[in-house]
Amino acid sequence: DAEITQSPRHKITETGRQVTLACHQTWNHNNMFWYRQDLGHGLRLIHYSYGVHDTNKGEVSDGYSVSRSNTEDLPLTLESAASSQTSVYFCASSESIRGTYEQYFGPGTRLTVT
Amino acid sequence: AQSVTQLGSHVSVSEGALVLLRCNYSSSVPPYLFWYVQYPNQGLQLLLKYTTGATLVKGINGFEAEFKKSETSFHLTKPSAHMSDAAEYFCAVSDQNEKLTFGTGTRLTIIP
Repeated sequence: DAEITQSPRHKITETGRQVTLACHQTWNHNNMFWYRQDLGHGLRLIHYSYGVHDTNKGEVSDGYSVSRSNTEDLPLTLESAASSQTSVYFCASSESIRGTYEQYFGPGTRLTVT
Repeated sequence: AQSVTQLGSHVSVSEGALVLLRCNYSSSVPPYLFWYVQYPNQGLQLLLKYTTGATLVKGINGFEAEFKKSETSFHLTKPSAHMSDAAEYFCAVSDQNEKLTFGTGTRLTIIP
């Protein structure tokens, strides 16, 4: 069965370190998204991609970057981790068929920055 | 710009009672509307969606929602709550570029 996976599921890192969170989907979806989930804010969009070599900034992109070298993967990099980036991170993907718009979510990565 | 407001961050209902979770949206284009459910320590799962056509939408687990354009609402209902419905529920609106904007969520507690 097709799925979307994230790794690691839990990560503790120190302030200032570079961290990369992996996202891999086997749906063959064109679109991929990264969100962060914080109490009182719901899910907020960090970055998104509509296809290979395409990346776009979302609502809360400062301090994060992504790259899309193939259809399946969209890794999220925290260039220099800050305590404010302690959060739960979700990756999602969707197909580019007008009228569908459903996003499929991964299980999440809980990141703690100390 | 689009936005979603979910009224009530916490809702408690008795088992067997009606579940009503409120969602109002703002969108400059015809909206696509979604309800997602999140169980503890899991990702989000689609409950139901409205894109076009019939304004009363039925989803999984007995949930349904009605799109009311005049009220800019998309409230989620279930006639009879079950203990397994305890979770966090998110309303979301999509623009025509496939991006989702989420509400802040409503945590549903079921009282035995």
